[in-house]
Amino acid sequence: EVQLVQSGAEVKKPGESLKISCGASGYTFTTYWVAWVRQMPGKGLELMGLVNPDDSETRYSPSFQGQVTISAERSINTAYLQWGRLKASDTAIYFCARLRAVRSSFDLWGQGTLVTVAS
Amino acid sequence: QSVLTQPPSVSAAPGQKVNIPCSGSSSNIGNNYVSWYRQFPGTAPKLLIYDDKKRPSGIPDRFSGSKSGTSATLGITGLQAGDEADYHCGTWDSSLSIWVFGGGTKVTVL
Repeated sequence: EVQLVQSGAEVKKPGESLKISCGASGYTFTTYWVAWVRQMPGKGLELMGLVNPDDSETRYSPSFQGQVTISAERSINTAYLQWGRLKASDTAIYFCARLRAVRSSFDLWGQGTLVTVAS
Repeated sequence: QSVLTQPPSVSAAPGQKVNIPCSGSSSNIGNNYVSWYRQFPGTAPKLLIYDDKKRPSGIPDRFSGSKSGTSATLGITGLQAGDEADYHCGTWDSSLSIWVFGGGTKVTVL
């Protein structure tokens, strides 16, 4: 089955670090870019950045540049999103999604990872 | 503030048609493909329309996409209770060099 499976919900304190994952199966991982998308409570979708699993090239939305790190490990078909120092405002659901083509659409989504940051 | 503009909500009676607009600019909708996503509460978005008006396999033809200039529209005909969800538009922005989304529109079946 073609799918993206994300790691489980996380509860962290401000200032802590975190790395969440997105595992791909059922297709050639290196063929498609993978995106990370944030959805804050009650809000719309925000693209954080993209990674090309073939060569690990990354692109970040200006709002997220320097705030997070996106990476991929092709040997285990997994993409990652990490924070060095979490803030309460990072509380959100984070989705990974497969980019069908650079200017086309996101045709496959992970189930989402809820990240809660609270003291 | 989202780059693309959608109304917060639209509503219609069962069996009726609803149109969801998505407004942008020449740097995004005006010169790039638009896609639409449906999201039920507590679940991940799902692709409904890509490349302005194409439907992925398994998406019924009750769902349609159109575009004119810097605006796009998602149409849903034969509205059903199961269509109640949030609908998001998205596209590439050539000036920002990144993908952008609308704020999402909640569809309510009266």
